[in-house]
Amino acid sequence: EAAVTQSPRNKVAVTGGKVTLSCNQTNNHNNMYWYRQDTGHGLRLIHYSYGAGSTEKGDIPDGYKASRPSQENFSLILELATPSQTSVYFCASGDAGTDYAEQFFGPGTRLTVL
Amino acid sequence: GDSVTQTEGQVALSEEDFLTIHCNYSASGYPTLFWYVQYPGEGPQLLFRASRDKEKGSSRGFEATYDKGTTSFHLRKASVQESDSAVYYCALSDRGSNNRIFFGDGTQLVVKP
Repeated sequence: EAAVTQSPRNKVAVTGGKVTLSCNQTNNHNNMYWYRQDTGHGLRLIHYSYGAGSTEKGDIPDGYKASRPSQENFSLILELATPSQTSVYFCASGDAGTDYAEQFFGPGTRLTVL
Repeated sequence: GDSVTQTEGQVALSEEDFLTIHCNYSASGYPTLFWYVQYPGEGPQLLFRASRDKEKGSSRGFEATYDKGTTSFHLRKASVQESDSAVYYCALSDRGSNNRIFFGDGTQLVVKP
């Protein structure tokens, strides 16, 4: 069964609305990540977390908040959605205890902001 | 800072053609290098990794050799199939980066039958 799941898989939102993207992992990994994927930009890191209660800013955090209430769950929050946030969002988890840093990705959420 | 550069944005080949996707990196330390593959409608998944100079990573007929001298990790496959059509990401992780992975912009591979 899938170890990293995301919900919803597709979302249409209106400009100025609040959007919450959810991620759940059963890998028991400490680290979790949120990326957005846009043509020509690859995967860009928005926020990440080292464990429950922690969130860190990635490379493009403006307009996004993150929440890590438990080991398993990591949410990405768009308080005031804008059309420029239309994208595909991926959540990933990774084990902090290894020498190499493989990440395991969810299937993605396609967000359209009208 | 750490970064990865993939030269090709898109590659179009026919089945049984030879594939090369170029990847060069910049890192302050001694990074682990990765190739990830993303099939349509899915998230990226690890293809293989290499952690030491001259180490070869390989999987599913794809291979790449870690070259510290030229800071490269080029992806190659001798004979591509239509099922190899996907986006390929070169990436690195530096121990000093707290397990962050830095991804290249990705290369879209289209293989025609």
